[in-house]
Amino acid sequence: DIQMTQSPSSLSASVGDRVTITCRASQSISRYLNWYQQKPGKAPNLLIYAASSLQSGVASRFSGSGSGTDFTLTISSLQPEDSATYYCQQSYSTPWTFGQGTRVEVK
Amino acid sequence: QVQLVQSGAEVKKPGASVKVSCKASGYTFTTYDINWVRQATGQGLEWMGWMNPNSGNTDYAQKFQGRVTMTRNISISTAYMELSGLRSEDTAVYYCARGLATDNCFDPWGQGTLVTVSS
Repeated sequence: DIQMTQSPSSLSASVGDRVTITCRASQSISRYLNWYQQKPGKAPNLLIYAASSLQSGVASRFSGSGSGTDFTLTISSLQPEDSATYYCQQSYSTPWTFGQGTRVEVK
Repeated sequence: QVQLVQSGAEVKKPGASVKVSCKASGYTFTTYDINWVRQATGQGLEWMGWMNPNSGNTDYAQKFQGRVTMTRNISISTAYMELSGLRSEDTAVYYCARGLATDNCFDPWGQGTLVTVSS
């Protein structure tokens, strides 16, 4: 199985800050990497697919980059509503696997 | 709009089985895979498997092989996930999610079904 490791596990940042979350795969997954946002008590919501494609309806301050084993999710200007847990997911081979999550707190 | 609506919360005893439903609307049910993902309280996301509603073909995570069964009823656009031999560690929220074939990402997700296993 492909292991996905996110860092950091949690972070706290202020409104307007640029925030970066990293996801590393245990082997090359090309660009088969997706990002989700999950708010407490809610289902996850797709933000980014294929490493860098913004899902329709998602705010443009979210962006993704990377290929191979190293990927990043960037929030260009953090907003209060971005307080959530973010997960990466590899879609290169089954079993599809997720990172352990990064909790983002907005100060 | 595209929507997945799941059945309500369940409480089961150890050793029992649970069957969770996921009703699709707003798109052609047979066109997209349905995935099942679970999340224990305060924990991360764990993929359980997928089903192709058109063919009925399935692919289960090895961890759940022999205990999980994914089926569908095309006439009512509903997918089902049945988990048997329940134990306390199976207490979790279970989500269905539509799989987008080109990228194998999940969108949208159902609202989740809490399954509690307790004696």
